Amino acid sequence: AQSVAQPEDQVNVAEGNPLTVKCTYSVSGNPYLFWYVQYPNRGLQFLLKYITGDNLVKGSYGFEAEFNKSQTSFHLKKPSALVSDSALYFCAVRLQGNLIFGKGTKLSVKP
Amino acid sequence: EAQVTQNPRYLITVTGKKLTVTCSQNMNHEYMSWYRQDPGLGLRQIYYSMNVEVTDKGDVPEGYKVSRKEKRNFPLILESPSPNQTSLYFCASRIAGGPYEQYFGPGTRLTVT
Repeated sequence: AQSVAQPEDQVNVAEGNPLTVKCTYSVSGNPYLFWYVQYPNRGLQFLLKYITGDNLVKGSYGFEAEFNKSQTSFHLKKPSALVSDSALYFCAVRLQGNLIFGKGTKLSVKP
Repeated sequence: EAQVTQNPRYLITVTGKKLTVTCSQNMNHEYMSWYRQDPGLGLRQIYYSMNVEVTDKGDVPEGYKVSRKEKRNFPLILESPSPNQTSLYFCASRIAGGPYEQYFGPGTRLTVT
């Protein structure tokens, strides 16, 4: 079955430290890959996407993601975390027009 | 401002009382979709629409109906709500085809007692 996995329910990081939120996928073909962020009481906001080309994709708010085809991963990264980055992060894969979401990872950045 | 709007934002209702959650987008997007978000389950797609008068089931369509009579609107209808439909609902839209991202509404928190 085609799926998206976010293996960590929660990631805790100290402010100023680098952060990584993991995502792996299991799909056939060459999917489009996305990261979205959800702040409390808000809808999802688009962060970045991978279509093709350079494996390192840069997005909003200083986030970037690295696509690794051999490991079928699309991990979200940021060199220096901010307290304001605390939110729920979703990885998603687009198949046949529809998005399949991971279950989400709660990122908590402490001062 | 480009946006997806949903109404109401919060709704408490009783089992069996028909309700409609409206969704509207001002970006002339062909594709629209409804999701529900439940703790530990992420977002699951309920229904989607590729264009006017074209709708199709997502992963969890049971108990829901939709219509797409106009390009900008995509209402979600619960004919006879049940407690297991208590959830947070999101509407989204995007340009059809191509690797385009989706724009999400602010969400509707529904409680069915």
